[in-house]
Amino acid sequence: GENVEQHPSTLSVQEGDSAVIKCTYSDSASNYFPWYKQELGKRPQLIIDIRSNVGEKKDQRIAVTLNKTAKHFSLHITETQPEDSAVYFCAAVMNSGYSTLTFGKGTMLLVSP
Amino acid sequence: SAVISQKPSRDICQRGTSLTIQCQVDSQVTMMFWYRQQPGQSLTLIATANQGSEATYESGFVIDKFPISRPNLTFSTLTVSNMSPEDSSIYLCSVEDRGREGYTFGSGTRLTVV
Repeated sequence: GENVEQHPSTLSVQEGDSAVIKCTYSDSASNYFPWYKQELGKRPQLIIDIRSNVGEKKDQRIAVTLNKTAKHFSLHITETQPEDSAVYFCAAVMNSGYSTLTFGKGTMLLVSP
Repeated sequence: SAVISQKPSRDICQRGTSLTIQCQVDSQVTMMFWYRQQPGQSLTLIATANQGSEATYESGFVIDKFPISRPNLTFSTLTVSNMSPEDSSIYLCSVEDRGREGYTFGSGTRLTVV
């Protein structure tokens, strides 16, 4: 089945800096890659996603890039703010007859003021 | 996007008992997914529930321990049976949200087994 590796496990940055979280996936059939933000005690919230026919997608301070050849995708957060502090999960969907998400292990992002 | 109501939000249960978690979606969905999130960990898929058929369980999860019902296209339940402290986790349901092309999660059930 699909395997998603996520790095780093923790990331500390100063407010205003950029943060980058990287994920790799194993199955070339995967074609949908969402990113979720989970604040303490809350449900995961979709913040951005990308499909395999696109190389990059931006939404204000957040961007995601996808390299299908290398099978990796990255989340970029610019001008980080303390409220960006949370755990971020990447995921991949493998088309196996039904769509199930495989999650990375998560990255705890801490933005210090 | 789909709105999911999940309950209970939390519970403290005695070992050996069972708890049933409910998820209600405000729109019809083909598949509903049940996840477990152990403290400080990622989300692990327990099973996929389709209406009118038995749930499909992932490796390491069995129907006797986690029976699932899916009586219609907007509702599902997950039961955690014969609980032990190792079952203490957050349990979340999820649906594939065709409206915005993503997956939406319920608010989760924080289960503590004592």
